[in-house]
Amino acid sequence: GAGVSQSPSNKVTEKGKDVELRCDPISGHTALYWYRQSLGQGLEFLIYFQGNSAPDKSGLPSDRFSAERTGGSVSTLTIQRTQQEDSAVYLCASSETGVGEKLFFGSGTQLSVL
Amino acid sequence: GQQLNQSPQSMFIQEGEDVSMNCTSSSIFNTWLWYKQDPGEGPVLLIALYKAGELTSNGRLTAQFGITRKDSFLNISASIPSDVGIYFCAGRTGANSKLTFGKGITLSVRP
Repeated sequence: GAGVSQSPSNKVTEKGKDVELRCDPISGHTALYWYRQSLGQGLEFLIYFQGNSAPDKSGLPSDRFSAERTGGSVSTLTIQRTQQEDSAVYLCASSETGVGEKLFFGSGTQLSVL
Repeated sequence: GQQLNQSPQSMFIQEGEDVSMNCTSSSIFNTWLWYKQDPGEGPVLLIALYKAGELTSNGRLTAQFGITRKDSFLNISASIPSDVGIYFCAGRTGANSKLTFGKGITLSVRP
């Protein structure tokens, strides 16, 4: 596609439920990132995928968070047993090559945990 | 770890005014990027800088890569209402390092 696509754009869930957030990167981009943005805050790095290399999971806040990237393209961020503090905008970004190249962001998924 | 400092958190200007935003760090960076985020959208790249001292313009926007490689600034001239949003600086310290983002500055433009 022309840009990074994320779905759903909004997700409301109950505390304790699991959620899956999807990201379709720009075609041909080998690198994919997930960030979290809480209200009024900056961008918190979560996880980074580059080609077939092992992902950099150093930003995941707890073991309730996981992500996978199938076939080097689409990525899914899963949050298990959601908590209210997980409420935030989850942004996906992709870039042509590896770390540090220009990132192109999707519009994000607004997650609200009630 | 590397941190990028942006302050103040919010800025309020009058339409037509110029505004300057700084981004500083205690670490040396070899790439600086400036992004703008509109409400409900993801950040969009405005300007990329790759060399110390580099000065780059994009319309009414001008950004510079500081000589010390520890800072960058973004200028917006003749501001208009659609300039409102959050402006993030980002940088990387080496060829294989992840981008580090500042916390952003929220710009408001009064008509």
